[in-house]
Amino acid sequence: DARVTQTPRHKVTEMGQEVTMRCQPILGHNTVFWYRQTMMQGLELLAYFRNRAPLDDSGMPKDRFSAEMPDATLATLKIQPSEPRDSAVYFCASGLVLGGEGRETQYFGPGTRLLVL
Amino acid sequence: DQQVKQNSPSLSVQEGRISILNCDYTNSMFDYFLWYKKYPAEGPTFLISISSIKDKNEDGRFTVFLNKSAKHLSLHIVPSQPGDSAVYFCAASARATSGSRLTFGEGTQLTVNP
Repeated sequence: DARVTQTPRHKVTEMGQEVTMRCQPILGHNTVFWYRQTMMQGLELLAYFRNRAPLDDSGMPKDRFSAEMPDATLATLKIQPSEPRDSAVYFCASGLVLGGEGRETQYFGPGTRLLVL
Repeated sequence: DQQVKQNSPSLSVQEGRISILNCDYTNSMFDYFLWYKKYPAEGPTFLISISSIKDKNEDGRFTVFLNKSAKHLSLHIVPSQPGDSAVYFCAASARATSGSRLTFGEGTQLTVNP
């Protein structure tokens, strides 16, 4: 049963601290997405990678957020320094083209619930 | 600028009846639409999708309808089951302008009562 895994599932930290979230995409998927879900903004895309190369990070605050894929089995999202407004659930998804339409279906991990005090 | 809108935050139906969830969009470049289901403390799960070249796609109890002229899509669940109770998100993408980026609606909480 292939699925996207994310660690940690929960994180409580203090303002100013560095936070690193990790994601293991489904084996064989070549696209990885980072989303953030808040009450105010809903689900918003932060960044995504294809074949480990960043394709779109326009949704990500560049001054404090960074996303990388050190290898095909690991994606990381880092916040430094963290702020209370970063409190949200962060989802990773990996993508695979399904069917004859050649469009990608994204499979989500369980999320990391971040609380910055 | 909310390009994908789900105007009903919640919907309650009786088990066995039809559930109809609605979604409107404003970006005419959207050419692929998806519905996801989300249970508490889990990530969204893909349900069904439809390309803009079609107006209907069916998968078991789930059918998605697309009305391009009205920029409206809907998800029909027949018959509804208590296990369908979840938050449903519609999402859209525009391959020509934004590749694989998905834009999500705010979600609709569906409750199916036994």
